[in-house]
Amino acid sequence: AQKITQTQPGMFVQEKEAVTLDCTYDTSDQSYGLFWYKQPSSGEMIFLIYQGSYDEQNATEGRYSLNFQKARKSANLVISASQLGDSAMYFCAMREGGTSGSRLTFGEGTQLTVNP
Amino acid sequence: DTEVTQTPKHLVMGMTNKKSLKCEQHMGHRAMYWYKQKAKKPPELMFVYSYEKLSINESVPSRFSPECPNSSLLNLHLHALQPEDSALYLCASSQDPRSDLVNEQFFGPGTRLTVL
Repeated sequence: AQKITQTQPGMFVQEKEAVTLDCTYDTSDQSYGLFWYKQPSSGEMIFLIYQGSYDEQNATEGRYSLNFQKARKSANLVISASQLGDSAMYFCAMREGGTSGSRLTFGEGTQLTVNP
Repeated sequence: DTEVTQTPKHLVMGMTNKKSLKCEQHMGHRAMYWYKQKAKKPPELMFVYSYEKLSINESVPSRFSPECPNSSLLNLHLHALQPEDSALYLCASSQDPRSDLVNEQFFGPGTRLTVL
């Protein structure tokens, strides 16, 4: 069964508007971590934001925020005030297990295009 | 220094060649990873080194041979590859696999490999 589901293969947004990228996950672990990465066409994966399963507050990093709804097992990424440079592939990923646990499970990704 | 470097950026090789990919980080990270990524797909984990020891091998064919000479360096030796092995190979590192830190993975820019 797929552990990370990103249901939007492609999304379009106008510059300066906000956009939400969806991510749902499946795990039986009580302790896990959720990550969002951005991958521009150049190929490098850029870490954006992290949410731990025990974190009570939604994570925020600048224009990025994570809408974490634990009961619904969703961890949506919200990008505010979109910029042209935000056009990229976005991956949601999960790390299971109490300590580190090195394995990340990635979703299929969402290709975001920001229009001028 | 907060980056992961990878060389070469591009590599074209024949099926009988032997080549190596190199990855380096100077952030004091103790976990290092190799991923393979096909176009428009998420990265697939190949190998994980934790404290210079191989901790995860995701049933990767033996024509891929990882090596971790020290805590800063990770190599991937390639021999007798097939055309379907053509992909972007990403290296990553994370802080301390034995702790309960966030341990986000920092990725290098990747090596684009073409096997003829």
